[in-house]
Amino acid sequence: GQQVMQIPQYQHVQEGEDFTTYCNSSTTLSNIQWYKQRPGGHPVFLIQLVKSGEVKKQKRLTFQFGEAKKNSSLHITATQTTDVGTYFCAGSSGTYKYIFGTGTRLKVLA
Amino acid sequence: KAGVTQTPRYLIKTRGQQVTLSCSPISGHRSVSWYQQTPGQGLQFLFEYFSETQRNKGNFPGRFSGRQFSNSRSEMNVSTLELGDSALYLCASSLEGGPQHFGDGTRLSIL
Repeated sequence: GQQVMQIPQYQHVQEGEDFTTYCNSSTTLSNIQWYKQRPGGHPVFLIQLVKSGEVKKQKRLTFQFGEAKKNSSLHITATQTTDVGTYFCAGSSGTYKYIFGTGTRLKVLA
Repeated sequence: KAGVTQTPRYLIKTRGQQVTLSCSPISGHRSVSWYQQTPGQGLQFLFEYFSETQRNKGNFPGRFSGRQFSNSRSEMNVSTLELGDSALYLCASSLEGGPQHFGDGTRLSIL
């Protein structure tokens, strides 16, 4: 079945450093979504990518969808303490069934 | 606009019992998905309902079942509970193909 892997599993950064998490699917995706979950909270939608090679930016966050639509990345520039949480990608092969990645837990040291 | 509401927030059961969890989606959202979240396994897809029909199913045993009502509210049932069923159960609603909006979840503990 479809599998979605994310690396790294954990990342500790100093405030102001950059952060990147990578997502890889075993199958071609129709679209990919990214979510952030704060400790004790629920996942909150960040963005959805649909087109091959698509790049979207939200302030300090940059999202990319690979050309083959099997991988994606989230890059945060100049991390802040408010960026702390677990970042998940969720891929769909077009069936409205989303398989979540394993998540990357980000800690930001002030 | 009210968000996704899940009840109850916390539940303690013993092995062998059954449990029913409830999810009220955002008004107008007809797609409801259920996920199991555990520290070791992350977010695992259980099933997705749309217009009262189960459209997608994850790799969980038949003890896990669900349904959706005509008002899009959904329930999830787990029978013959096992210790390994202890988890946070999350419900998410969406417009078809759109962002998923999650509820706060039901934390189920099995003793």
